[in-house]
Amino acid sequence: ETGVTQSPTHLIKTRGQQVTLRCSSQSGHNTVSWYQQALGQGPQFIFQYYREEENGRGNFPPRFSGLQFPNYSSELNVNALELDDSALYLCASSPQVAGTSGELFFGEGSRLTVL
Amino acid sequence: DAKTTQPPSMDCAEGRAANLPCNHSTISGNEYVYWYRQIHSQGPQYIIHGLKNNETNEMASLIITEDRKSSTLILPHATLRDTAVYYCIVRVSQAAGNKLTFGGGTRVLVKP
Repeated sequence: ETGVTQSPTHLIKTRGQQVTLRCSSQSGHNTVSWYQQALGQGPQFIFQYYREEENGRGNFPPRFSGLQFPNYSSELNVNALELDDSALYLCASSPQVAGTSGELFFGEGSRLTVL
Repeated sequence: DAKTTQPPSMDCAEGRAANLPCNHSTISGNEYVYWYRQIHSQGPQYIIHGLKNNETNEMASLIITEDRKSSTLILPHATLRDTAVYYCIVRVSQAAGNKLTFGGGTRVLVKP
């Protein structure tokens, strides 16, 4: 148990729809990052939020967006869903921006299927 | 971040040590070596990290070669619960923030 909780655990959407995934970070962690993991591959960094602002982004289009709230929880929004967006979406939190430990605490993910 | 190379899979006998190699020949002087693992249907779990000295914690030991171009993660007494995909990652500790670049990892199967 990492103390990072994600919801929903599974969901199915159709192409073109929009989805919102939620993450509650571990107590005391003010930095949240999101990863996409396609089947059989390693996780890919989407972006991170620190103090309610995005401060790092991977190679994902603008239809992937996020929010971080004052309580450090976070949302990942994906618009205009495509079939290739089907994946496990992972949220990870850390105290500040990782710092010297580099240890991230991952949730168990939200599995999105796009039909 | 430097690229890492790991064998795609390996088997290990329960109770024996598991030695997981990782090559990172282009590592820079300020890049750390991290190991995470991912048990099926769970999020990745941090194991250990190091810069140039060998490190040990309750989960594993990390051996980094003197030239830092390769490392080995050692699980001293593998159990069935250690069956997972193990990822070796190199990263500049503070500047990279929370961005970890995962490769394909090594799929470890611990057999009874």
